[in-house]
Amino acid sequence: GQQVMQIPQYQHVQEGEDFTTYCNSSTTLSNIQWYKQRPGGHPVFLIQLVKSGEVKKQKRLTFQFGEAKKNSSLHITATQTTDVGTYFCAGTDKLIFGTGTRLQVFP
Amino acid sequence: EAQVTQNPRYLITVTGKKLTVTCSQNMNHEYMSWYRQDPGLGLRQIYYSMNVEVTDKGDVPEGYKVSRKEKRNFPLILESPSPNQTSLYFCASSLSSYPRGYEQYFGPGTRLTVT
Repeated sequence: GQQVMQIPQYQHVQEGEDFTTYCNSSTTLSNIQWYKQRPGGHPVFLIQLVKSGEVKKQKRLTFQFGEAKKNSSLHITATQTTDVGTYFCAGTDKLIFGTGTRLQVFP
Repeated sequence: EAQVTQNPRYLITVTGKKLTVTCSQNMNHEYMSWYRQDPGLGLRQIYYSMNVEVTDKGDVPEGYKVSRKEKRNFPLILESPSPNQTSLYFCASSLSSYPRGYEQYFGPGTRLTVT
C-alpha cells in the first residue's frame, strides 16, 4: 500500500538557523497537505499543494511539491521558538500521513 | 465557533471493558475520520466515513468499530480494549475528501490508557 516517509525524524536547531523536512511517497500523489502539531496539541492545517513543481510561501515557511508529485518539502527560514512542534505531510488520495518531523528550537 | 469536539479527553480503563469515544463537528462536514498517534509512527487512520451511513476501514481498523448515523457525530467504539490500544486518538473532519482533498480539522485528542 501507499507509504509516506518523512526525514529527518527529529531536528534540533539554534534559533535563527534554517530547517527543512522532506516527505517522500511510494506512489504519485494527487495533492499534498502539511500540518503542524504543537507539543500537547492537535494537528493544524498549514497548506495544500496541488500542481507538479508548485512552490508556496507563508512568511518564513516555503513549501514545495516535486515535479513527479511523489515528494515534497517544507523549509523554514530563520527559525523561532514558536516554530517548535511536529510537522506532518499527508497525501490527500487516502489521507495517509507521513511519520512526522519533530522540530526543537533552542533560544 | 467551528470546531471538532471529543470526549472524554483522558481515559484510563481496564482490558476488556467496552468504551466509546465521542466525536462531534459543527461544520456540516461530510468526511470524518479517526486516527491514532503513537511515537515514531505518526498518525495512522483507523476508520473513515465519506458521509452518513458510509464508513470504511483505514490502515489499522482491528479492534475498533465506528458508526455514522448522523452527519455531525462519529463515535469510536472499542468493544474489548487491550493494552496495545493505549494511544492518543484524534477525530478529524473535512468538507469532503478523495481525491481533491480539503483541510482537515482535528479534535483536541483523547489520551487512552488500557491496563
